[in-house]
Order: sequence, then C-alpha cells, then structure tokens
Amino acid sequence: DIVLTQSPGTLSLSPGERATLSCRASRSVSNNYLAWYQQKPGQAPRLLIYGASSRATGIPDRFSGSGSGTDFTLTITRLEPEDFAVYYCQQYGAPFGGGTKVEIK
Amino acid sequence: QVQLQESGPGLVKPSETLSLTCTVSGGSLSSNYWSWLRQSPGMGLDWIGYIYYTGSTTYNSSLESRVMISVDTSNNQFSLKLRSVSAADTAVYYCARANVLRYFDSNLYYFDFWGQGTLVTVSS
Repeated sequence: DIVLTQSPGTLSLSPGERATLSCRASRSVSNNYLAWYQQKPGQAPRLLIYGASSRATGIPDRFSGSGSGTDFTLTITRLEPEDFAVYYCQQYGAPFGGGTKVEIK
Repeated sequence: QVQLQESGPGLVKPSETLSLTCTVSGGSLSSNYWSWLRQSPGMGLDWIGYIYYTGSTTYNSSLESRVMISVDTSNNQFSLKLRSVSAADTAVYYCARANVLRYFDSNLYYFDFWGQGTLVTVSS
C-alpha cells in the first residue's frame, strides 16, 4: 500500500489567511486518484476534493486541490471560521493520511 | 441528496459480536457500493470493507477473518457484523457510499456520502 504523509501536523492560522496543506505519497499515485476530506469535531468526514483537483458538490471555490505523482496540495484561499477542522487525504483504495489540523491562531 | 444513518448498540461486551445497520435514504442501494469505516478515539480513519448492491463484498485484510457486511435492498439497508470484539475495536463507526473505479485488476474507491457515525464501546 501507498503510505500518505500529511504535513504539517497542525497549522495555526487566523481567519482570512491562506492555508496550504501537503500530502506526500510513498510512490506515485495513479491517474491522480486522490481525495481530500474535512472533518469537524463530532462530525463525519466530508468529501472536499476528488481526482486531486475536482471539487465535490457544494464545496466552496476557496477550496482547491492540486498536484500529481507523489505531491499533492489542498489550498484554502481565505480561511472562514467554519474551515477550522482536520483534513485528511486518501489515495483511492488505500489508507488515509494521518491528517492535518487547521486551528485558530 | 443521499443520506445515511447508522444504528445499533453503543456498548458491546468483549468476545461478542458488534452489529450495526446503515439505512440509506434519498437514493437507492442499486448500482452502488456501500462501505463501513471506523475511527478509534483521537485516531485516523480505517476502512473496514464494502459491499455492492448485489451482495459482493471486499474486506480490509486485517479484519477479514472477523467481519461480514450484508445488504437488504428491500429496506434500503446494509449491515456490519464484527465478531470476537476487544477493546481495540472501540471506535466511531461510519457507513458511507463508496465511489468505486476499476483500475487494471484493482478496485479503487473513495467516499462521497457519509453517515454521522455511531460510537461503539467494547467493555464488560
């Protein structure tokens, strides 16, 4: 299985700032088969991005995914209060990454 | 919009069988894959397995000897049974719809709709 390493473990930012989250794979991800999820405390994960860069239905355009091969990025252009959460990446069919917590600075 | 809701006991004794049901509304089970995942307290997400609406299943190899997922299309439900549980099986259990893609000889999947999750504690 591919191992996904997410960094940083915790990102401390203020509302309105830009968040850049990294997901690095131990080997190349085929066809950019990578998804991103957001999880708030006490809630289920929510699909944000699939196919590395396609936004899921209803996801605001401040969320964007990019990357290919082994390096992928989730960017939140301007953090809203509701964006403070844990974010996971997942290669299709493989274990999830360990997560990045985006917390209020 | 597809909605999923888990139900079942929140407390299971060690060595017994954990049983959960997921009820799907807003859509049919047909032509889709349905999955169970879990998240241990403070930990990441683990995939348990999925079932196609026809009843075909695929399980995580680490749990395969203890797990069974079944489907009831007449009631738009699918279920999880996990045998011989221990404290290590204490987790929030989620049901989800799996979006499955065929890639060479493998099925690859991600999860587009999730239930809210239910905490199952294994304790005597």
